[in-house]
Amino acid sequence: DIQLTQSPPSLSATVGDRVTITCRASQSTANSVNWYQQTPGKAPKLLIFGTSTLQRGVSSRFSGSASGTDFTLTINYVQPEDFATYYCQLIYSPPYTFGQGTRLE
Amino acid sequence: QGQLVESGGGVVQPGRSLRLSCAASGFSFRGSVMHWVRQAPGKGLEWVAVISHDGQNIYYVESAKGRFTISRDNSQNTLFLQMDYLRSEDTAIYYCVKDQSSGWYDLGSFDSWGQGTLVTVSS
Repeated sequence: DIQLTQSPPSLSATVGDRVTITCRASQSTANSVNWYQQTPGKAPKLLIFGTSTLQRGVSSRFSGSASGTDFTLTINYVQPEDFATYYCQLIYSPPYTFGQGTRLE
Repeated sequence: QGQLVESGGGVVQPGRSLRLSCAASGFSFRGSVMHWVRQAPGKGLEWVAVISHDGQNIYYVESAKGRFTISRDNSQNTLFLQMDYLRSEDTAIYYCVKDQSSGWYDLGSFDSWGQGTLVTVSS
């Protein structure tokens, strides 16, 4: 199975910053990646699917991209509600592997 | 995107069984691919199992094979996870999750989640 290595594990930011979170696949893959946001005590929320498509209702400050085996989530103009944990996830075939998570604080 | 409500979690001894249920409403349950995803306390997310809309296609994470059984009752809009031979490492919040796909393709985008039910395996 393909593994995802997500970095950094934690990230400090200030309101208004631009931040980037990366997931690296262990091998070249035709699969895409999703990104989820999870706040404490809540279920995850789908932000981006298919590497770069914004889920309905999600702020356009979030964007996703890919280059080779690297998948990236960018948050522009970080807002107070963005402080959460973010997960990447491989899609299209089981076991739909998740990254280890990045805590934005 | 509907509502998912899990139940059936609790404290159970290693080697025993537990059955989780998930009541769905507000969307076409019989037309939806469904999953279970779990999260150990303070840890990341792990996909557990998937079932097609008609129950004919099922996949499990390696650690669940032979111990867990996913099933569904479309007449009752309910998803199940039968967990046997439970281990301490199965301790987690179990989420019932709806797939965004409208068919058995391009799976893995989880667009609706329940609130989760906590399973604790401990002697």
